[in-house]
Amino acid sequence: QVQLVQSGAEVREPGASVKVSCNASGYTFTSYGITWVRQAPGQGLEWVGWISANNGNAHSAQKLQGRLTMTTDTSTSTAYMELRSLRSDDTAVYYCARKPQSESLDYWGQGTLVTVSS
Amino acid sequence: DIQMTQSPSSLSASVGDRVTITCRASQGFGNYLAWYQQKPGKVPKLLISAASTLQSGVPSRFSGSGSGTDFTLTISRLQPEDVATYYCQKYDGVPLTFGGGTKVEIK
Repeated sequence: QVQLVQSGAEVREPGASVKVSCNASGYTFTSYGITWVRQAPGQGLEWVGWISANNGNAHSAQKLQGRLTMTTDTSTSTAYMELRSLRSDDTAVYYCARKPQSESLDYWGQGTLVTVSS
Repeated sequence: DIQMTQSPSSLSASVGDRVTITCRASQGFGNYLAWYQQKPGKVPKLLISAASTLQSGVPSRFSGSGSGTDFTLTISRLQPEDVATYYCQKYDGVPLTFGGGTKVEIK
């Protein structure tokens, strides 16, 4: 069965970086994209970015451009999201989700809480 | 970028009531519209894709309609287990914008 398993919770100080992983199983990794979504405490869902697991093409939310890097490792079927120069308003649960081409987000990871605090 | 506006932001209804949630786009994009359900403390779950296609296992009391700029999620007979926040999302291309969410509670 399709599963997306994310890395554990992280705590960082403002200005630091964090890298969240998303290990996929149960399907052909390179046939789908991975979307990252975040949810600040008590807030709604916010699209962070998307990466093609086939060719590494990536698109980030405009507000995060310059701070966000998404990558994939096809040898381990793992996607990564790295966010730099962290601020307190980056505190959120970060989700990865599978995105078939021209389709919506059908499988989601369990979420990774990233807390930015001094 | 296309903006997605959901209304209402919250609602309270009785068990058995018909509930309607609206999602309006700032410009049209066909029917690349999904609805997600997020129960408290849980991961979002895909309910409906392509504006009206119910996902496998989703109760038939849920339905979706619309195209272009105006979309609707309807719960025909609200059940206690439907307490959740519902989000629409466009997925025709980046950015994959979400609506602000509609919190559904039982009166």
